[in-house]
Amino acid sequence: AQSVAQPEDQVNVAEGNPLTVKCTYSVSGNPYLFWYVQYPNRGLQFLLKYITGDNLVKGSYGFEAEFNKSQTSFHLKKPSALVSDSALYFCAVRSNNRKLIWGLGTSLAVNP
Amino acid sequence: GAVVSQHPSRVICKSGTSVKIECRSLDFQATTMFWYRQFPKKSLMLMATSNEGSKATYEQGVEKDKFLINHASLTLSTLTVTSAHPEDSSFYICSARREATDTQYFGPGTRLTVL
Repeated sequence: AQSVAQPEDQVNVAEGNPLTVKCTYSVSGNPYLFWYVQYPNRGLQFLLKYITGDNLVKGSYGFEAEFNKSQTSFHLKKPSALVSDSALYFCAVRSNNRKLIWGLGTSLAVNP
Repeated sequence: GAVVSQHPSRVICKSGTSVKIECRSLDFQATTMFWYRQFPKKSLMLMATSNEGSKATYEQGVEKDKFLINHASLTLSTLTVTSAHPEDSSFYICSARREATDTQYFGPGTRLTVL
C-alpha cells in the first residue's frame, strides 16, 4: 500500500538551530516526493520536490530535503531556523494515479 | 508563476443554502484541479478530482450530489456545497496541477461556516 508517514506531530527548535522534519514513504516504483508548508488559515505553499537526480533537493526559503532510497525517507531540513518558519509542514508522495498521498503533517514551532 | 486563487476566502451561510467556491489558476492552464477538505490541525482529505471538460472523480464516501464540481475551463473549477449543514463547516482548499512540472499549486482556502 502506498503511504506517507510523518512520525512527529510536533517539532520544537530554537531560533538559529538546525531543524529537521521527518518523512518516510512507501510506494511502488520510483517515488515523486513533495514538501509543502501551511501557515495558519492559509492554503499550502510548495517548498520542494524530488523526482530524480541529486538526492539533496534545494527549495524555497532556505529549505532542503534529502532523498534516501534505502531508508525510504525524505526529511526536510534547514540549517538555521527562523521564528517565521513556524508552520504546519506536509510531506506527500505521488501515487500511481498521479494523486498525492499526504502525511498527517508536522507542526514546527521555532522559539525565539 | 503558478498562482492559484480561491474565492471567497470566508463565507457564513444558513443551514439549507448552497455555497459556491471558485478556484482559478491565474498564470497557467490546469486540466486537472483538486478539491480538499481540511479539519482543524488535521491533514488534507481529498474530496474529488476535477477534470476540465468531463465529470469530476469523487473519492469514496464523498457525496457527488452534495458537492457539485464544475471545471468549465482550463483555469476555473467550482465547488458548490448544496443544502449545506453545520457538519459541512470546514476549510476547503483547491489545487491546480501544472502539467509541465507535475506539481500541485494550492489556493489560499475557503473557510465555510454553516449556521
